[in-house]
Amino acid sequence: DGGITQSPKYLFRKEGQNVTLSCEQNLNHDAMYWYRQDPGQGLRLIYYSQIVNDFQKGDIAEGYSVSREKKESFPLTVTSAQKNPTAFYLCASSVRQGRSYNEQFFGPGTRLTVL
Amino acid sequence: GQNIDQPTEMTATEGAIVQINCTYQTSGFNGLFWYQQHAGEAPTFLSYNVLDGLEEKGRFSSFLSRSKGYSYLLLKELQMKDSASYLCAVSRAAGNKLTFGGGTRVLVKP
Repeated sequence: DGGITQSPKYLFRKEGQNVTLSCEQNLNHDAMYWYRQDPGQGLRLIYYSQIVNDFQKGDIAEGYSVSREKKESFPLTVTSAQKNPTAFYLCASSVRQGRSYNEQFFGPGTRLTVL
Repeated sequence: GQNIDQPTEMTATEGAIVQINCTYQTSGFNGLFWYQQHAGEAPTFLSYNVLDGLEEKGRFSSFLSRSKGYSYLLLKELQMKDSASYLCAVSRAAGNKLTFGGGTRVLVKP
């Protein structure tokens, strides 16, 4: 089955600890994205990557870091510098076709709670 | 900058029609998406508009007016399973980045 996986579904961490959220896709998509969603709100873009070994900051990148060493994987690290890390984190991917529209497919999400 | 507005919540009756409006102000417009999101789950794609006009897909239709910065999603013959949040998202030309509105929570009552 092709799709995007995120694990774990629920994650708890103590304040001050870094935590890495995984995102894997076997859709052969070039582009991958990380979003954050707070209760009752829309999604906000954290980081995105259009090709391996390259990524760009989104609208709320402060306190986060990413890597894109493989096409299939785009892990997100939530660092201790992120002031309000508790949120629902969604990973997405899409085919990269220049300026053509590309639907983004979303993973199931990871709900991070920092205690 | 980007600004996308949609109502926070709407209530409708099973079998009825509901129209969810979305207004946007953005640079580098490259299309508008509608996604459905059930509570605690990932968004799923519903529709895409890049040209003015109406796109129909079964019980769901989406309309776009680029000159007015306006779109709507029309849900017909509402079913209980349509109770969800509906997210309007504008695609910016560079990098296929999406800017999302806050979402409209639709509650379908029997």
